[in-house]
Amino acid sequence: RKEVEQDPGPFNVPEGATVAFNCTYSNSASQSFFWYRQDCRKEPKLLMSVYSSGNEDGRFTAQLNRASQYISLLIRDSKLSDSATYLCVVNGNNFNKFYFGSGTKLNVKP
Amino acid sequence: DAMVIQNPRYQVTQFGKPVTLSCSQTLNHNVMYWYQQKSSQAPKLLFHYYDKDFNNEADTPDNFQSRRPNTSFCFLDIRSPGLGDAAMYLCATSRGRDAETQYFGPGTRLLVL
Repeated sequence: RKEVEQDPGPFNVPEGATVAFNCTYSNSASQSFFWYRQDCRKEPKLLMSVYSSGNEDGRFTAQLNRASQYISLLIRDSKLSDSATYLCVVNGNNFNKFYFGSGTKLNVKP
Repeated sequence: DAMVIQNPRYQVTQFGKPVTLSCSQTLNHNVMYWYQQKSSQAPKLLFHYYDKDFNNEADTPDNFQSRRPNTSFCFLDIRSPGLGDAAMYLCATSRGRDAETQYFGPGTRLLVL
């Protein structure tokens, strides 16, 4: 079983739509969770960390469900510029080691 | 200002010809990572350093080696590149306390002819 699994998509949504991605992880001892955004042929960039209590940054909301071992990302009022691949990242038993999901591709259409 | 710098951004090499990719950081972070990313795939961790302690992934081929001569610099050496080694190579850093955020460099895209 992979450490981190994501639906690869693509998710094709119109501008203004709300879209949600989920990501499941296998290691119940994981402590740190992140969403990264990666544009085509660019490096991953941190979108947001995911805290136990959930957190929100503008149009983006991240949630953690430890019991079911998944994290989610909700994007409200999608913009064309949100089109990218969203990577779920979880740390392993070695806190300095991170596991990446293969990413969920989002296409926001006019 | 760039915090994690990778050189070169694009590298073309011939099959079997050794190549070295470099990464430097201005963040004074303890941990430096090398990832390999192929098209439409997740970044795959090759190895990481915590200070001078080298941590190799079990499935990283022997063809891949790394050096970290000081805190700021880390090198990836590919001794005999094969066609399957063509990929984006990403360097990242983190402070190394409490599984904090990683900061990525822009990557080096390697083409093997």
